[in-house]
Amino acid sequence: DAGVIQSPRHEVTEMGQEVTLRCKPISGHDYLFWYRQTMMRGLELLIYFNNNVPIDDSGMPEDRFSAKMPNASFSTLKIQPSEPRDSAVYFCASRYLSQGGYTFGSGTRLTVV
Amino acid sequence: DQQVKQNSPSLSVQEGRISILNCDYTNSMFDYFLWYKKYPAEGPTFLISISSIKDKNEDGRFTVFLNKSAKHLSLHIVPSQPGDSAVYFCAASGLKTSYDKVIFGPGTSLSVIP
Repeated sequence: DAGVIQSPRHEVTEMGQEVTLRCKPISGHDYLFWYRQTMMRGLELLIYFNNNVPIDDSGMPEDRFSAKMPNASFSTLKIQPSEPRDSAVYFCASRYLSQGGYTFGSGTRLTVV
Repeated sequence: DQQVKQNSPSLSVQEGRISILNCDYTNSMFDYFLWYKKYPAEGPTFLISISSIKDKNEDGRFTVFLNKSAKHLSLHIVPSQPGDSAVYFCAASGLKTSYDKVIFGPGTSLSVIP
C-alpha cells in the first residue's frame, strides 16, 4: 500500500492566488481528515469526511477555505484567495472506522508570499 | 484555548536513559489518548494509545501512563535511542466530543544525544 498520498509536496504562491491541495487516502479507509500545522497552533483539525460526506468543518478558518471529496479516493482543500498567514504545512490523514490512529500523508508545505 | 497541552517544547536526553514526555488536557470528556511521532518532512505516525479504563499501556520501549484525576498523561521511552529523536504529539478524543475528532497538542521535540 502506498499510504496517504498528498500533492504537491511544496507550493509557493503569491498572495491572492488560488491554491489547491490534493489527497489520495488509503484504499478502503472511510474517514479522511485535513489538518494544518503551524508553529503557533500546532496541528489543527480543519475538516473531516466520512464516506465522502463532510462531517465537521468547524475548524475551517474562513470562507476562503473549502474542501471537497468527490469520491472515496480523492479529496481537495482549496484556498481562495490565499494570504501570507495561510503559510503552513497541510496534512491529510485517513482511517478505517475507529481503528487506532490515523495514517498521515507527508504533507504539503504551503508558502504564500 | 488549547485543550491538549504539552508545556515542554523541547527535551534532550542521553542515549540509553529514559525520556519522559508530558501532556495535560483540560476537557474531562476525553477518554481516549494517543501519541504520535513525527520526523522532519514526514507526516506524524501513530505510536501508542490508551483508553481511560486503563492507567498504563506498554508497547516495547514505549509506555504511556494516564492519571485521570490530574488530567495528565506521559510517554516513557526506555532506553532512549538516537532514532527516537523526533517531535512527539499528544492527542485526545472522546465519545462525547466524538472519537473521530482527535485534538492534538503542540508537540515536544525530543533529541536523543549519542
